[in-house]
Amino acid sequence: GAVVSQHPSRVICKSGTSVKIECRSLDFQATTMFWYRQFPKKSLMLMATSNEGSKATYEQGVEKDKFLINHASLTLSTLTVTSAHPEDSSFYICSARDGTSGQETQYFGPGTRLLVL
Amino acid sequence: KQEVTQIPAALSVPEGENLVLNCSFTDSAIYNLQWFRQDPGKGLTSLLLIQSSQREQTSGRLNASLDKSSGRSTLYIAASQPGDSATYLCAVTGNQFYFGTGTSLTVIP
Repeated sequence: GAVVSQHPSRVICKSGTSVKIECRSLDFQATTMFWYRQFPKKSLMLMATSNEGSKATYEQGVEKDKFLINHASLTLSTLTVTSAHPEDSSFYICSARDGTSGQETQYFGPGTRLLVL
Repeated sequence: KQEVTQIPAALSVPEGENLVLNCSFTDSAIYNLQWFRQDPGKGLTSLLLIQSSQREQTSGRLNASLDKSSGRSTLYIAASQPGDSATYLCAVTGNQFYFGTGTSLTVIP
């Protein structure tokens, strides 16, 4: 099946630094990618939807200037957590939709654990 | 490696019926299990989260159970409605997320 990778799988950073997370579709073209986060003991929540070549659509309550999403190619989307703070520590997951298949299947990355000290 | 399986892959029921979706996983060392619904072209919507120490969670017409020892979870939907038509995904969290393949549900008016 289709594979989505995320890099890094785990990152620890100091407060105030920026962290970039990559999401790649390895064997298909992802016209749409979704970014999620999960806080400890909480449900996975959608942050934003990004379509290749256009600005991401953010869910209510998600700061677009803090969570910068770039989807510049059909196989890569990046999420940059700017000026990270300890409350940004979370599990971030991306998923990608194969726009060429005519199906609605989404493929999920394994996630990135972010810990901000 | 954790493997998550959902049965059935597709389900079609008349409106008003109660139904059960199944999710099984191979490694019982999980932090939690979640059920989601996915509408075409949309992101996931979280339905229920069951921590590894819990047995079930309820929200409205939805009830999810978790049996870690047998590696199974069920999502029970009572009095189904056409608006329930969607794909339902379960996911378990260990060192990473593991998603099931989903059950496509169609509720016929």
